[in-house]
Amino acid sequence: DIQMTQSPSSLSASEGDRVTITCRASQVISNYVAWYQKKPGKAPKLLIYAATTLHSGVPGRFSGSGYGTDFTLTISSLQPDDVATYYCQKYHLPPHTFGGGTRVEIK
Amino acid sequence: QVQLVESGGGVVQPGRSLRLSCVASGFNFNDFGMHWVRQAPGKGLEWVASFSSDDNAEHYGDSVRGRFAISRDSSKKTLYLQMNSLRVEDTAVYYCAKDRRVYSFSSFDWWGQGTLVTVSS
Repeated sequence: DIQMTQSPSSLSASEGDRVTITCRASQVISNYVAWYQKKPGKAPKLLIYAATTLHSGVPGRFSGSGYGTDFTLTISSLQPDDVATYYCQKYHLPPHTFGGGTRVEIK
Repeated sequence: QVQLVESGGGVVQPGRSLRLSCVASGFNFNDFGMHWVRQAPGKGLEWVASFSSDDNAEHYGDSVRGRFAISRDSSKKTLYLQMNSLRVEDTAVYYCAKDRRVYSFSSFDWWGQGTLVTVSS
């Protein structure tokens, strides 16, 4: 099965900073990658699908890039509401594996 | 407006069974794949099972294959997860989720609020 490895596992940045989270697939998966935001006690929210496409209603400060095995989620200007854990996921063919998550905090 | 409402969680002893339900509304239930995802306390998201809308196939994660069964009742617009031979490590919040695309697996665009399953003696 394809594994999804996220890094870092956690990060702390200042409000307004640019934040980058990476996800590496153990095999080539084209652009079948999604990114989710998860806050405690809340359901996950889809942010990005097809590696680069912003889901409806998601703020424009979120963006995704990558193809093949290496993918990135970027928050261009970190806001207090962005404090959460972020997960990448491979989809299209099961198993729909999630990465281990990246916890984002504000300094 | 899409809504997914899970129920059926609770406290159960190891080795026992539990059935989760997810009632869907706001979209054509038959056209979209559906999924179960769980999050154990202090852990990350784990994909559990999927039901395919194009061929009614079932898919399972390694940790639940042979013990859990996903199914749906189109007349009730309800997705189920039958969980047998429960283990302590199955303790988690279980979410149902809708696939974003019709007739193929894609990302998960709508999620329920989750239902907590606690396996403990």
